[in-house]
Amino acid sequence: SQTIHQWPATLVQPVGSPLSLECTVEGTSNPNLYWYRQAAGRGLQLLFYSVGIGQISSEVPQNLSASRPQDRQFILSSKKLLLSDSGFYLCAWGQGIIGGNTIYFGEGSWLTVV
Amino acid sequence: SQQGEEDPQALSIQEGENATMNCSYKTSINNLQWYRQNSGRGLVHLILIRSNEREKHSGRLRVTLDTSKKSSSLLITASRAADTASYFCATFTNRDDKIIFGKGTRLHILP
Repeated sequence: SQTIHQWPATLVQPVGSPLSLECTVEGTSNPNLYWYRQAAGRGLQLLFYSVGIGQISSEVPQNLSASRPQDRQFILSSKKLLLSDSGFYLCAWGQGIIGGNTIYFGEGSWLTVV
Repeated sequence: SQQGEEDPQALSIQEGENATMNCSYKTSINNLQWYRQNSGRGLVHLILIRSNEREKHSGRLRVTLDTSKKSSSLLITASRAADTASYFCATFTNRDDKIIFGKGTRLHILP
């Protein structure tokens, strides 16, 4: 069975510090990978998605970046965090049309920038 | 950009009653999905309805889709306290592999 792991679960970082959130998927190959952000009590904003190694599509211009160094690894980074980067970050995977377009989420990472 | 918009934003009903949530979207879709999110957790997939389907059932869930109105509804029958959560609709198009979510409906089941 497929599983998705996302860490760290909780993070408190000062303004201007770097960020690295990691997500890995097990039990599948060549998944589509997604990073979403959810502000408190709000909907999900798609930040990045990837259909293959080294292929990253950015949805929102910001000081965040994403990388996919391996097939089942997706990393969200920032060189200098802003207060507005606080939120709940969710990684997800899917198989596109083959998988019925359903995506499966990790448990999320709470980021508080102070 | 936000594709789906759920309505209402929040809904409180008595346990045992039916809960109906609506979703409207803007562009042509291949399918529409509903997800559930418990507070502070990841989202869980509930049901998918394809653009050529009008209604779909799964247990106590009933989803309808009206592509002419670009809208969908999720009905939860005989609600339970455990149904308390946020519910999101999500749309997918074949132009790319993006899945776009709405802002969600916060459902609260009163005992």
